[in-house]
Amino acid sequence: DAGVIQSPRHEVTEMGQEVTLRCKPISGHNSLFWYRQTMMRGLELLIYFNNNVPIDDSGMPEDRFSAKMPNASFSTLKIQPSEPRDSAVYFCASSRRALTYNEQFFGPGTRLTVL
Amino acid sequence: GESVGLHLPTLSVQEGDNSIINCAYSNSASDYFIWYKQESGKGPQFIIDIRSNMDKRQGQRVTVLLNKTVKHLSLQIAATQPGDSAVYFCAENTDYGQNFVFGPGTRLSVLP
Repeated sequence: DAGVIQSPRHEVTEMGQEVTLRCKPISGHNSLFWYRQTMMRGLELLIYFNNNVPIDDSGMPEDRFSAKMPNASFSTLKIQPSEPRDSAVYFCASSRRALTYNEQFFGPGTRLTVL
Repeated sequence: GESVGLHLPTLSVQEGDNSIINCAYSNSASDYFIWYKQESGKGPQFIIDIRSNMDKRQGQRVTVLLNKTVKHLSLQIAATQPGDSAVYFCAENTDYGQNFVFGPGTRLSVLP
């Protein structure tokens, strides 16, 4: 299994530009999570999906952030317009949701730099 | 590589010694816990988990201890190796493995 795949691995953009981060979860996993990691705030959950449906987006910082999951094998996190304070590493994780506890598998992350 | 915290607690141990990494969790209702390891430039990787109906669980070279009375979790690594150098996070949740809350992390540095 290839694991969780994220693209791009690095993104450098200018303030005001639109940024789209992509994630392909592990095949067979039906839960998907987007996290942001910064030096100051650590690892924060932004949003998660079960069976392609957003369940909790309370961690999304502002309306500039949006996430979609059009099918079981693909999700995007979009920032429009981007700001320098959005600079962080964004992780996607997936898990196989069941009525028991289960671990999340993380992708390698996308390092975003907004100038 | 990724630096995950400017003021992360750091634990330095000699290669071959045992390491103990501690975590105080916040929610007394949390009933599932995971320890993750994050190496520089990579995403967090699952190490071991424990449910609240247990107080100890062992894996390969790792042991997790849970003290619900004081809301404390620890990760013990036996015979620490250079490859164990990383940042270690504890994560808690109360929702059947869904919404995890991560601790700030501890950086483990293994000295030769």
